[in-house]
Amino acid sequence: DIVMTQTPLSLSVTPGQPASISCKSSQSLLHSDGKTYLYWHLQKPGQSPQLLIYEVSSRFSGVPDRFSGSGSGTDFTLKISRVEAEDVGVYYCMQGTHFPTFGLGTRLEIK
Amino acid sequence: EVQLVESGGGLVQPGGSLRLSCAASGFTFSTYWMSWVRQAPGKGLEWVANIKQDGSDKYYLDSVKGRFTISRDNAKNSLFLQMSSLRAEDTALYYCARDGRPGGYWGQGTLVTVSS
Repeated sequence: DIVMTQTPLSLSVTPGQPASISCKSSQSLLHSDGKTYLYWHLQKPGQSPQLLIYEVSSRFSGVPDRFSGSGSGTDFTLKISRVEAEDVGVYYCMQGTHFPTFGLGTRLEIK
Repeated sequence: EVQLVESGGGLVQPGGSLRLSCAASGFTFSTYWMSWVRQAPGKGLEWVANIKQDGSDKYYLDSVKGRFTISRDNAKNSLFLQMSSLRAEDTALYYCARDGRPGGYWGQGTLVTVSS
């Protein structure tokens, strides 16, 4: 199984400031079809997960452009350019190149 | 609008069985892989199983192989998870998700509690 390691496990951010979450996979996520199936989900308190980013850097429908994803191979990053109060929750990276596995999550809180 | 509505959760004793259902609407169900993902209380997300459009391919998390069976009824736009030999560690909120790689569409979940 591919292990997804997220850092940090928690972060506290002042509104308007940037935030960054790292996700490293134990194996390359480059699929034989040429795509890299790395996703970022946000689970807000009391809600189901919601997709932010798919295939490393594509924003899902309706996701604000302050969210961006980057990376390749085994190293990936989610960046929030200016954190807002509505961004609180737990962020999960997920790989879908092999049987899907998730990181342990990064809890974002507002200072 | 895509909707996924899970049902069938509840309290079951260790060793017991339960069948979860997911009613799908708002998209052409028969053209998508579907998945089950679970979340133990206070814990992270864990993929459980997925199934191909026509049901011909199914994949499982190692810890549920031989105990859980994923299936679908494309005529009724429904996804199922038959769970048997349930263990305390299967206690979780079970989500239905569209796509074999769970992505943009999730249900609200149905809670399964395994306890005596």
